[in-house]
Amino acid sequence: DTGVSQNPRHKITKRGQNVTFRCDPISEHNRLYWYRQTLGQGPEFLTYFQNEAQLEKSRLLSDRFSAERPKGSFSTLEIQRTEQGDSAMYLCASSLGGQGVQPQHFGDGTRLSIL
Amino acid sequence: TQLLEQSPQFLSIQEGENLTVYCNSSSVFSSLQWYRQEPGEGPVLLVTVVTGGEVKKLKRLTFQFGDARKDSSLHITAAQPGDTGLYLCAGAEGTGFQKLVFGTGTRLLVSP
Repeated sequence: DTGVSQNPRHKITKRGQNVTFRCDPISEHNRLYWYRQTLGQGPEFLTYFQNEAQLEKSRLLSDRFSAERPKGSFSTLEIQRTEQGDSAMYLCASSLGGQGVQPQHFGDGTRLSIL
Repeated sequence: TQLLEQSPQFLSIQEGENLTVYCNSSSVFSSLQWYRQEPGEGPVLLVTVVTGGEVKKLKRLTFQFGDARKDSSLHITAAQPGDTGLYLCAGAEGTGFQKLVFGTGTRLLVSP
């Protein structure tokens, strides 16, 4: 059983460039979440997918950010025209669907550094 | 916006000591999860508590959910260096879709 996989693990780019991250959830999980974590803080929710539908987006997700999950399996998070403040760890999590408590399992994240 | 406050923020102890980490909020959560995170890695789920007053034990770790489902605690008995890490509590509202609201974390260092 493989866990949540994120690629790349690290990304260094210049301000103004576009970056794209990929998340492969646990195979039977139909819910997928993106969070952002800055140094010394807990993760903050960005967006959520149920299968291929993006059902909720945080106000943290500015119009430079877009997330997709086209076939309800892997997801991508793109940041356009990156800014210094985008430097953070971007975490993906997945969970089973259905009612009741469904624990979220996290990947090891993509660390983004903006020069 | 729901907020979760954790205390203490930092804890440095010797191997064998006991410790308690607190997670408090003014909001009610349907469930609360505890995670441990090591540098450069994602949070790893330790436990989920759902019922007010619930106590769960995981070897030397004891988790409690407050009666009103607004607070939680994590107690570690006889801490070991392998317990070192960042401990995060995360509250969820509702069932089904669950956006997690994370606390700011407690960084624990256990020295041999």
